[in-house]
Amino acid sequence: NAGVTQTPKFRVLKTGQSMTLLCAQDMNHEYMYWYRQDPGMGLRLIHYSVGEGTTAKGEVPDGYNVSRLKKQNFLLGLESAAPSQTSVYFCASRGLGFYEQYFGPGTRLTVT
Amino acid sequence: EDQVTQSPEALRLQEGESSSLNCSYTVSGLRGLFWYRQDPGKGPEFLFTLYSAGEEKEKERLKATLTKKESFLHITAPKPEDSATYLCALMDSSYKLIFGSGTRLLVRP
Repeated sequence: NAGVTQTPKFRVLKTGQSMTLLCAQDMNHEYMYWYRQDPGMGLRLIHYSVGEGTTAKGEVPDGYNVSRLKKQNFLLGLESAAPSQTSVYFCASRGLGFYEQYFGPGTRLTVT
Repeated sequence: EDQVTQSPEALRLQEGESSSLNCSYTVSGLRGLFWYRQDPGKGPEFLFTLYSAGEEKEKERLKATLTKKESFLHITAPKPEDSATYLCALMDSSYKLIFGSGTRLLVRP
């Protein structure tokens, strides 16, 4: 039981490049979330999903897209990376009827 | 607007020196308050959920309490391995979490 896993762990992009971050969970959780964490600002919700095939915007969705084609996977895409997207990205999930979220180890992204 | 504020931003303690971390909040209807621990370079680790004022939960040297306006994370006789950033989060009316910016705790031997 690996919990929540994220790939890659680190990535460096140039401005304008695109990439996809993958989150996978093996706990059969319904809900999945993408956050970004910046110094002094705490965790901010980017997008989330309440089930397979559904997605919704969070607090800071601009510049990101997501997809949840399979229940266990939640993908975060950056179509045209900007330096302002330099951050640490965390994925989380929670089960139906439970409220605590379980987090992955994070992806550190640098956009130059 | 739902809001979470944590204080202090950073706290240094000697091993064995008990203290408390504060999480104050404003919310239209409290659905739950969460505490997480985050070690450097890792994801947040769930500690506690509190749902109503007066509720308390304990785990080893940690005890979380909740009032109508704030939550405290009490650390009794801390050890160096308790050094981490402690995050507080509020569950809003749509069951999403709103996080505070955290308290960085350093426990010196």
